Amino acid sequence: KAGVTQTPRYLIKTRGQQVTLSCSPISGHRSVSWYQQTPGQGLQFLFEYFSETQRNKGNFPGRFSGRQFSNSRSEMNVSTLELGDSALYLCASSRDSPNQPQHFGDGTRLSIL
Amino acid sequence: QKEVEQNSGPLSVPEGAIASLNCTYSDRGSQSFFWYRQYSGKSPELIMFIYSNGDKEDGRFTAQLNKASQYVSLLIRDSQPSDSATYLCAQGRNNRLAFGKGNQVVVIP
Repeated sequence: KAGVTQTPRYLIKTRGQQVTLSCSPISGHRSVSWYQQTPGQGLQFLFEYFSETQRNKGNFPGRFSGRQFSNSRSEMNVSTLELGDSALYLCASSRDSPNQPQHFGDGTRLSIL
Repeated sequence: QKEVEQNSGPLSVPEGAIASLNCTYSDRGSQSFFWYRQYSGKSPELIMFIYSNGDKEDGRFTAQLNKASQYVSLLIRDSQPSDSATYLCAQGRNNRLAFGKGNQVVVIP
C-alpha cells in the first residue's frame, strides 16, 4: 500500500512569491492534515480537510490556505512568502479523522531567500 | 499553558536499558493519544496510539495513559541504537492533533 506522497520535496522561493504544495493521501484515507515544522516552534497544525471541507484550522495568517479535491488529494498554498515561512511542511492522512492513526508524508522543505 | 508538554531534556540510555518518556496534556476532552518517532531529517513515524486508560504494548514499546492525571508515557524496552531519535507526543481532539516539542533519545552502545 503506497504511503502519503508529497510533492515537491524541495522548493526555493524568494520573498513575495507564492507556492503550492501537493499531497496524495494513503488510498482509502479521506482526512488530510497539514503541519508546519520548524526547529523553534515544533510541529504546528495548519488545517484539516475531509470530503473537500475544511473542518479545523490552526492559528496561521490568511496567507496560508488549502483545499481538498474529490479524490481526497489536497493542496496548500502560501502567498506573499516571508522569510519566516521557511520550514518543513508535512501532510498526514488518516481514514476519517485525525483522532485515528495519522501517517505522514516525507514533507516539502521550503526555503525562502 | 501549552496543550501538550514534554519537559524532559535529552535522554541518554545504555543499550539494552529501558527508556521512559512522559507527556502531559491540558485538554481533558482529548480522545486519542499518539507517539511518533522522528529521525533527524525525516518525517514523523507513528509508533503507538492509545485511546483508553491503562497500558498498551506493541513489541518493545508500551504506552501508558492516565486520563485522571492527564499524562501519557512511552516505555522503550531493550533500547537499541536504532531507537536514537526524537519522540513526539500528540493528542487528538476536534479533528486536529496537537504535538509536544519532542524528546531526544540517545541510546549509547
